[in-house]
Amino acid sequence: DTGVSQNPRHKITKRGQNVTFRCDPISEHNRLYWYRQTLGQGPEFLTYFQNEAQLEKSRLLSDRFSAERPKGSFSTLEIQRTEQGDSAMYLCASSSTTGRGGYTFGSGTRLTVV
Amino acid sequence: DAKTTQPPSMDCAEGRAANLPCNHSTISGNEYVYWYRQIHSQGPQYIIHGLKNNETNEMASLIITEDRKSSTLILPHATLRDTAVYYCIVRVESASNTGKLIFGQGTTLQVKP
Repeated sequence: DTGVSQNPRHKITKRGQNVTFRCDPISEHNRLYWYRQTLGQGPEFLTYFQNEAQLEKSRLLSDRFSAERPKGSFSTLEIQRTEQGDSAMYLCASSSTTGRGGYTFGSGTRLTVV
Repeated sequence: DAKTTQPPSMDCAEGRAANLPCNHSTISGNEYVYWYRQIHSQGPQYIIHGLKNNETNEMASLIITEDRKSSTLILPHATLRDTAVYYCIVRVESASNTGKLIFGQGTTLQVKP
């Protein structure tokens, strides 16, 4: 296990299309987080899973966004009817139950909406 | 909103120590101080964390003031590869807490030859 894996690394889509990103966390980590990062800003929290349960969602997560973590393993983040403002880096991170020792982040998926 | 304040940018000469300050005057007793860094086009990388005592690992040292209202991350011998954005974050460590990280703007450290 070499860390948190995110796919794809880059995605270019036309406005109005749906996109889905995947995150494979470190296998023994039961906590999984999604963040969004726009140019020049720090990452912003989107949502949090403990195992398969989605326990917190940011108000940044509009109705067009949905995240799942079936069986408490990998997670997907779907954006429906993409808008240009959705262009950003989408980061996934995982951690153990308390998060002690910090999160491990993936390299992110860079979304460009044209 | 982030509970920390950091200078937006700093320079450091290669081979010298880089000292990155962070203010967290409203930190609660059960909040830890975490440092992450983000190299261009990569995800943030965990560096170090602490509660009250100073901490050291293979990457850096963390000095926390006695009143816990500020801290300093020390990279003892900065290299060009340490050029990155450094984030100071406070968070609660608990199984009953989401443990989400609230990032601020961070400090862009430029290590120069």
